[in-house]
Amino acid sequence: GESVGLHLPTLSVQEGDNSIINCAYSNSASDYFIWYKQESGKGPQFIIDIRSNMDKRQGQRVTVLLNKTVKHLSLQIAATQPGDSAVYFCAERSTDTGNQFYFGTGTSLTVIP
Amino acid sequence: DGGITQSPKYLFRKEGQNVTLSCEQNLNHDAMYWYRQDPGQGLRLIYYSQIVNDFQKGDIAEGYSVSREKKESFPLTVTSAQKNPTAFYLCASSLGRILSYNSPLHFGNGTRLTVT
Repeated sequence: GESVGLHLPTLSVQEGDNSIINCAYSNSASDYFIWYKQESGKGPQFIIDIRSNMDKRQGQRVTVLLNKTVKHLSLQIAATQPGDSAVYFCAERSTDTGNQFYFGTGTSLTVIP
Repeated sequence: DGGITQSPKYLFRKEGQNVTLSCEQNLNHDAMYWYRQDPGQGLRLIYYSQIVNDFQKGDIAEGYSVSREKKESFPLTVTSAQKNPTAFYLCASSLGRILSYNSPLHFGNGTRLTVT
C-alpha cells in the first residue's frame, strides 16, 4: 500500500478484475481525503473524495473506504479496464496544518488485457 | 470548457536564469496553488493563494515567487536561487474555504521545467 514518503508501489491486475489501492495516513487531525488518478505527463484527475464523518463513499465503478481507527484509506475499482492504468494517490487535509493538502507518493496500477 | 491551463508544457532554461510559469483558470475559483512533483515523491506545496492580492508560502517556497493580481491568474517564478529547479510543476485551484470547506483541488496538466 501507499504511504506518504515511501517509494512508489506497483499493482498489476487482469482486465475485468477488481483493484484495491491502499493509503495509510498518520495525522489524526485529517478530516478530508481525496483520491486522484494521474496519467503520464498529465495533471492529477479527481476521482472521489470522502469526509472524516463517513466510512464509505461510492462513485461510478469506484468506492472509497475510510478506517479512522487505523488511519487507512482504500480505493476500490470495479471491473478494472485498460484505461484505468495510471498512478493513483491519496491526499489528506489536516486541520492542524493550515487546512493544506498533503499527498502520498502514489501507486502505479497496470491493467493487463 | 472550464479548467486550468498551464503553459508552456515543456520549458528549458539555463542555470542562473529566472523563469515564469503561467497558470490560468476559468473556474471562478478563489484559491490557487502551486505544487512541485519529483519522481518517487508526493506533491509538495510551493505557494498558495486564498484570494486576490494575497498569498502564503508553502513547505518549499525558497527560490520561488508568485503574484495574484487577478483571480484567474497565479504565475510562478522560479528564480536562480532555487537549487534544484528541474521538476514537474502543477498548478491547482479550488473553490476556497469560504465557499466550500470540502472542496477538492482541480489540477492543470503541468509544466515540465528542465534547467541545465
